[in-house]
Amino acid sequence: DQQVKQNSPSLSVQEGRISILNCDYTNSMFDYFLWYKKYPAEGPTFLISISSIKDKNEDGRFTVFLNKSAKHLSLHIVPSQPGDSAVYFCAASGTASKLTFGTGTRLQVTL
Amino acid sequence: GAGVSQSPSNKVTEKGKDVELRCDPISGHTALYWYRQSLGQGLEFLIYFQGNSAPDKSGLPSDRFSAERTGGSVSTLTIQRTQQEDSAVYLCASSPGRGVGTDTQYFGPGTRLTVL
Repeated sequence: DQQVKQNSPSLSVQEGRISILNCDYTNSMFDYFLWYKKYPAEGPTFLISISSIKDKNEDGRFTVFLNKSAKHLSLHIVPSQPGDSAVYFCAASGTASKLTFGTGTRLQVTL
Repeated sequence: GAGVSQSPSNKVTEKGKDVELRCDPISGHTALYWYRQSLGQGLEFLIYFQGNSAPDKSGLPSDRFSAERTGGSVSTLTIQRTQQEDSAVYLCASSPGRGVGTDTQYFGPGTRLTVL
């Protein structure tokens, strides 16, 4: 049972435009959500997080939105840059320390 | 200081052999995690250490998998009698261990294991 789902395996966006990556979860006990970015042959790099007591968190070009009633979160990157091309993983945690990850979305930012 | 390091970066082994994968966490991080990523899959939790003890081993797929952590630092993941389905990238992460959930985990580069 996939508790964290990223239904879009890939996304292509033009440089300068907004990238929107989506994530859905099923476990209502999750209360902390993170986005990681992963380049080939490297480990995931922490990008941004959000607690369930908030509905938005912003860090530079990256903003994460959380809709608890819909069990949905999204990552907005604006403006998108070629260096943003990577696989993005959504992750969630609850009372346990372990993270539950989605299957990732490959973002390609084109010139 | 340095980030999380893992060794070896690549390991090719024959079915039935035992393998050991090593993780050096960020200095001072009390929490350590092992995950694996199989082809086309997300990261799958294996085991969590707080200090030298493992309060959560729920992700270990079988009794062929074991892990230990010594001195609150280095951890070794051992897979006995490897099978082809064990082929994956094994990732280690550490965190300061300030608290559950909100503790950001920092990942190493992973060990790519291929079982022939």
